[in-house]
Amino acid sequence: DGGITQSPKYLFRKEGQNVTLSCEQNLNHDAMYWYRQDPGQGLRLIYYSQIVNDFQKGDIAEGYSVSREKKESFPLTVTSAQKNPTAFYLCASSIGDRGQPQHFGDGTRLSIL
Amino acid sequence: AQSVAQPEDQVNVAEGNPLTVKCTYSVSGNPYLFWYVQYPNRGLQFLLKYITGDNLVKGSYGFEAEFNKSQTSFHLKKPSALVSDSALYFCAVRAPGNNDMRFGAGTRLTVKP
Repeated sequence: DGGITQSPKYLFRKEGQNVTLSCEQNLNHDAMYWYRQDPGQGLRLIYYSQIVNDFQKGDIAEGYSVSREKKESFPLTVTSAQKNPTAFYLCASSIGDRGQPQHFGDGTRLSIL
Repeated sequence: AQSVAQPEDQVNVAEGNPLTVKCTYSVSGNPYLFWYVQYPNRGLQFLLKYITGDNLVKGSYGFEAEFNKSQTSFHLKKPSALVSDSALYFCAVRAPGNNDMRFGAGTRLTVKP
């Protein structure tokens, strides 16, 4: 079945540590997105990528980094510069047509030890 | 700039009664509008969208939404609620020409037996 796979489902970060969240899709979608979800705030866009080897900052990119070396993969690194990383992180993808919906993975919940 | 508002944090309905989850938007030009549903610890699932055409849009699981341009609204409706409809619902908007999608803060729907 086609879909988006996020791993791990739960992740714990120590102070000063970088952690990387995985996102893989087999939908052959061009565009991929990372969102952060906090209670009562909806989804906020961290980064998005319309094509391989290109990505743009969203509203809350500070403290995060991404890469898009393959069409299928869009990993997100939460760096030690992100002082409040505890949240639910969602990856999504869509085809290039802006009238099409985004398809979401089941998320990674990141907590601080 | 594009934005979306969901004025109700919580909606409670009795099983079998009709339900409405409200959404208003602000965008330059003709909007692309979407509704998603989220169950606990899961990603968002697409319900329906409005791009153009008939103002009443039908989607998954018996949900429908009505686009009202004069009121800039896109309310989600269902004639007869089920307990299994209890979840978090998100409205989203994308302006033509924009690569990113804006989400509302979400409305928690609780359907009581």
